[in-house]
Amino acid sequence: GAGVSQSPSNKVTEKGKDVELRCDPISGHTALYWYRQSLGQGLEFLIYFQGNSAPDKSGLPSDRFSAERTGGSVSTLTIQRTQQEDSAVYLCASSVGTVNEQFFGPGTRLTVL
Amino acid sequence: TQLLEQSPQFLSIQEGENLTVYCNSSSVFSSLQWYRQEPGEGPVLLVTVVTGGEVKKLKRLTFQFGDARKDSSLHITAAQPGDTGLYLCAGARNRDDKIIFGKGTRLHILP
Repeated sequence: GAGVSQSPSNKVTEKGKDVELRCDPISGHTALYWYRQSLGQGLEFLIYFQGNSAPDKSGLPSDRFSAERTGGSVSTLTIQRTQQEDSAVYLCASSVGTVNEQFFGPGTRLTVL
Repeated sequence: TQLLEQSPQFLSIQEGENLTVYCNSSSVFSSLQWYRQEPGEGPVLLVTVVTGGEVKKLKRLTFQFGDARKDSSLHITAAQPGDTGLYLCAGARNRDDKIIFGKGTRLHILP
């Protein structure tokens, strides 16, 4: 079966532009996470969706970052007015429930020039 | 404040040696997971431990959950170059909490 997919796989943008990153979770998974990973670093939690509950946005680094999850499935992470420090790999993961195994997508590598 | 502290941050050893990496917290966790991430890929789950004192083995990898469910260790016997990667521990303090990750141990096995 299909795993978690993310698009685009690579994105190069200019400072100040907006970008949208997409995540298609595994069908039926109720939990969806977004993480950011800088080169050689661990995972930085950004946002968490669980079913119909209000998302946990506590990890979003600034109000330039937002995410939505439509119909409990596909999620989009939007970064407005990108800055060079936003350059990183953005990983999406989904799981059946809150504490179950997370299945990760391959990530989107964002480069802000 | 990092809820899950992993140590060491970096480890480089020769093929065939044994090693242990640690994941520690001052908080009790209902479950802990270990993931391995290889370059250019997302992390992949290795094991989940849920019972204090639990030991799980996966070939040459041995995972232990502390009796008080505040810490965990990963022991690798006779390390191989294929073990190279970033090892991440992750846990949920309560059943309905989101999972949080430690910063990882970057392991490099020299052939």
